[in-house]
Amino acid sequence: DQQVKQNSPSLSVQEGRISILNCDYTNSMFDYFLWYKKYPAEGPTFLISISSIKDKNEDGRFTVFLNKSAKHLSLHIVPSQPGDSAVYFCAASEYRNQFYFGTGTSLTVIP
Amino acid sequence: DGGITQSPKYLFRKEGQNVTLSCEQNLNHDAMYWYRQDPGQGLRLIYYSQIVNDFQKGDIAEGYSVSREKKESFPLTVTSAQKNPTAFYLCASSIKFNDWGLSNQPQHFGDGTRLSIL
Repeated sequence: DQQVKQNSPSLSVQEGRISILNCDYTNSMFDYFLWYKKYPAEGPTFLISISSIKDKNEDGRFTVFLNKSAKHLSLHIVPSQPGDSAVYFCAASEYRNQFYFGTGTSLTVIP
Repeated sequence: DGGITQSPKYLFRKEGQNVTLSCEQNLNHDAMYWYRQDPGQGLRLIYYSQIVNDFQKGDIAEGYSVSREKKESFPLTVTSAQKNPTAFYLCASSIKFNDWGLSNQPQHFGDGTRLSIL
C-alpha cells in the first residue's frame, strides 16, 4: 500500500506564478520529509527537506510546508521559472532509514 | 567531482539470464540503496546497505541480489527469478542515520539504468 501519495500526476503553471505541489502520507511515524526534482534520463536531485519538528522550511524560491495533523506536505515554488519544469517527488522516512517515495508530479512552467 | 555513477545506461536481458547493474560512489557515504521505478509508480526500494558486508531487503527484493564488498560499490544482480525486470533502476547513497535530529540527510542518486527484456 502506498504510504506516500501524490494525487496530481501533472501541473501546469504560467511563468512567474506560484506552483504548489502536494503530497499526503499515511504513516504518522514519518519524521523526515524531502522533495526531489527529476529531469528526463537523469536521477532525482535533492531539492529541500523538512523534519517533523518544523512546519515550514524555505530555501530561496522553494518553501516546504508540513501539516502533521493532516499528514500533508506541500512544496511552493515562487516565482515559477521554465527551468523548474520537471517531475517532483516527495519522500518520507522514519528513523530506520528507509525512504518511501510518492509517484511524482510532472510540473510544466509555461513561458 | 563527487557523485554516483551507474552503468550501463541501457541494458538488455535475455530470458533466463542474470544481469548485473553497477553502482559506484565517491562521496564517502556509508549507506547505499537500489530502487526500481515503473511507470505511474514511485520509487520502490529493492535493497539497501548501511555498512560494508551488510545489506537488508527492501519492499521488493524477490528476484534480486546485491553485495557490498567495498564502501564505494553496491552492484545489483537481476536474476532470472525476477519475472518482470523491465524498469528504470536507480542507485542512491547517503550518510548513515545516526542521529534523527540531523536536519539534512538527502540521498544522492545516480542517473539510472534502464533494463529491458529482449
